Amino acid sequence: GESVGLHLPTLSVQEGDNSIINCAYSNSASDYFIWYKQESGKGPQFIIDIRSNMDKRQGQRVTVLLNKTVKHLSLQIAATQPGDSAVYFCAEKPEGGKLIFGQGTELSVKP
Amino acid sequence: KAGVTQTPRYLIKTRGQQVTLSCSPISGHRSVSWYQQTPGQGLQFLFEYFSETQRNKGNFPGRFSGRQFSNSRSEMNVSTLELGDSALYLCASSLVLGNTIYFGEGSWLTVV
Repeated sequence: GESVGLHLPTLSVQEGDNSIINCAYSNSASDYFIWYKQESGKGPQFIIDIRSNMDKRQGQRVTVLLNKTVKHLSLQIAATQPGDSAVYFCAEKPEGGKLIFGQGTELSVKP
Repeated sequence: KAGVTQTPRYLIKTRGQQVTLSCSPISGHRSVSWYQQTPGQGLQFLFEYFSETQRNKGNFPGRFSGRQFSNSRSEMNVSTLELGDSALYLCASSLVLGNTIYFGEGSWLTVV
C-alpha cells in the first residue's frame, strides 16, 4: 500500500553541526507534508509543514525541502543543539485522506 | 491557549475489559483524529472526526470506536481489550480538515 518511509533510522551529529533527515513518500496524490518531533514520553510536536505547491519552507533553524519529482522530503536543522535530540517523523496527507506517518528517525546530538 | 488535552494519561486494564479515552481539542479546533503508537507498528491512524461525523477510518477492528461531541471533544473506546492493544493513544486536533494537526501528550494504556 501507500507508505512514507525514512532512509535512516538513526542519525548522530555533533552539537553545532547541521542535521538533515530524509523521507521518501510514495503517494503522488499527497499534497500536504508535516514534520514532527517526538521526545521520550511525549506526544509528537509540530515542527514545520509544507504544501505541494511549494518546494521549500523555512522556520526557526529548520527548513523543509520537497522534491515532488522524486517524492522526497527532507528536514534540515541548523546548528543542532542537544535539545534537538528526539525522534523525527515525516507525515504525508492526500486531500481528504488520512495522515500517514513514516517510521521515524532518531536524532542524537553529541555535545 | 491550551493545547490538546488527553485523559487519563496512564491506565492499566485487564484483558477483556473496555476502556474509554477522552480528548479536548485546542479551543476553536473542530477536527479531531486519533492514532495508536507502538514500538513495532509506529504511528497508525485510527479515525478522524469533524462536526461530529467520522470522516476517515483506519484499518482497525470494530472493537475500536470513537465519537465527537457538539463541543468538538472526542472520546475513543476499545472493547474486549487484548494484550496487543497496549500502546500510546494520541489525539490530535486541527482547525478544520486538512489544516495543521497538533497532538496531545497521549494516553498510555497497558493491558495485562
